Amino acid sequence: RKEVEQDPGPFNVPEGATVAFNCTYSNSASQSFFWYRQDCRKEPKLLMSVYSSGNEDGRFTAQLNRASQYISLLIRDSKLSDSATYLCVVNYGQNFVFGPGTRLSVLP
Amino acid sequence: GAGVSQSPSNKVTEKGKDVELRCDPISGHTALYWYRQSLGQGLEFLIYFQGNSAPDKSGLPSDRFSAERTGGSVSTLTIQRTQQEDSAVYLCASSSILLETQYFGPGTRLLVL
Repeated sequence: RKEVEQDPGPFNVPEGATVAFNCTYSNSASQSFFWYRQDCRKEPKLLMSVYSSGNEDGRFTAQLNRASQYISLLIRDSKLSDSATYLCVVNYGQNFVFGPGTRLSVLP
Repeated sequence: GAGVSQSPSNKVTEKGKDVELRCDPISGHTALYWYRQSLGQGLEFLIYFQGNSAPDKSGLPSDRFSAERTGGSVSTLTIQRTQQEDSAVYLCASSSILLETQYFGPGTRLLVL
């Protein structure tokens, strides 16, 4: 089993739609969790950290379920500019493990 | 402030040649990582440096790959006797141990002919 797994995608959604991405991780010692986004031919950039209590940043909401070793990202009112690959990242100590990513295309 | 920088941005080389890739992390960041990303694939961890500790080389795919970090700042990734399968984007990231977040450089696109 891979350390970090994500929905395979791609997700093709119309503008304004709500879309949710799921991520599972295998190492129960994992300490920190992040969502990064990566645009085509660009480097990954931090979208948001994921906290145990769940957190929201504008149209983006991240949830963590430690018992199920599961992380989610919800995007509301999706924009064309949200089109990218979304990477789930899990950290324990100084090891960062990246998921394979889920590609999102928001269509006009 | 300045972000992570990498050079060169693109490198085309012939099979069998050696290449050196450079990374300048964010000033003050103690941790530095190298990753490789092949076309359409996820990030593959290569090596990690943390302060003056011995680097974690567990991700290096073969002994043709090596990396060093001088003075706790700039890092170079060296690939000897390059092969066509080494073609990829090589990404460097740095993090402050306190913040835990990684910041990536723009990457070096390596093409081995």
